[in-house]
Amino acid sequence: EAQVTQNPRYLITVTGKKLTVTCSQNMNHEYMSWYRQDPGLGLRQIYYSMNVEVTDKGDVPEGYKVSRKEKRNFPLILESPSPNQTSLYFCASSSQGGRNEQFFGPGTRLTVL
Amino acid sequence: AQKVTQAQTEISVVEKEDVTLDCVYETRDTTYYLFWYKQPPSGELVFLIRRNSFDEQNEISGRYSWNFQKSTSSFNFTITASQVVDSAVYFCALSEPYSGAGSYQLTFGKGTKLSVIP
Repeated sequence: EAQVTQNPRYLITVTGKKLTVTCSQNMNHEYMSWYRQDPGLGLRQIYYSMNVEVTDKGDVPEGYKVSRKEKRNFPLILESPSPNQTSLYFCASSSQGGRNEQFFGPGTRLTVL
Repeated sequence: AQKVTQAQTEISVVEKEDVTLDCVYETRDTTYYLFWYKQPPSGELVFLIRRNSFDEQNEISGRYSWNFQKSTSSFNFTITASQVVDSAVYFCALSEPYSGAGSYQLTFGKGTKLSVIP
């Protein structure tokens, strides 16, 4: 089954404690991206990756890091989480460099205390 | 200025009514792509439609139809004979060239929450 998986689905952490949210897709898509969803703000792109070792900032990259060492994986790293990073995070993948539909993961709800 | 504007924050309709969700976008590119996604209360994001900037043909899929008008930079979504299962947040999105390296950046509108009342 074609899918995008994210882990963990729910996470409560404390300020400053480094965390990683994993994302994996099995569709051989070259394009992957991370979004955060906040009430009243819709989805905002954090980072995206056109292919292995190629990443670029989206609209709200501050406080986040990503890496793309393998085509299927695109982890999101919060080196020092803060309460304003409390949000719902979605990973997505797409073929054709983002010109095609995005396949979204189930979301990760992160709470930073 | 927002690149994708969904002016309707929330809409409530009674079941079987028709409803149109508005989407206005802004881009300087001639090649771009427009999307609609649905987010039901369960939270997942479901793809509904993709349209490229060179294809202004309207599309109908069952009770769903989309009206793309480049002259007004709009890509509106109509649900005919709405049902309770249509209750969701609907997002319009624009994918346009970014940084000149063949990449496309996707920008979402803030979404319209549709409530269909039985």
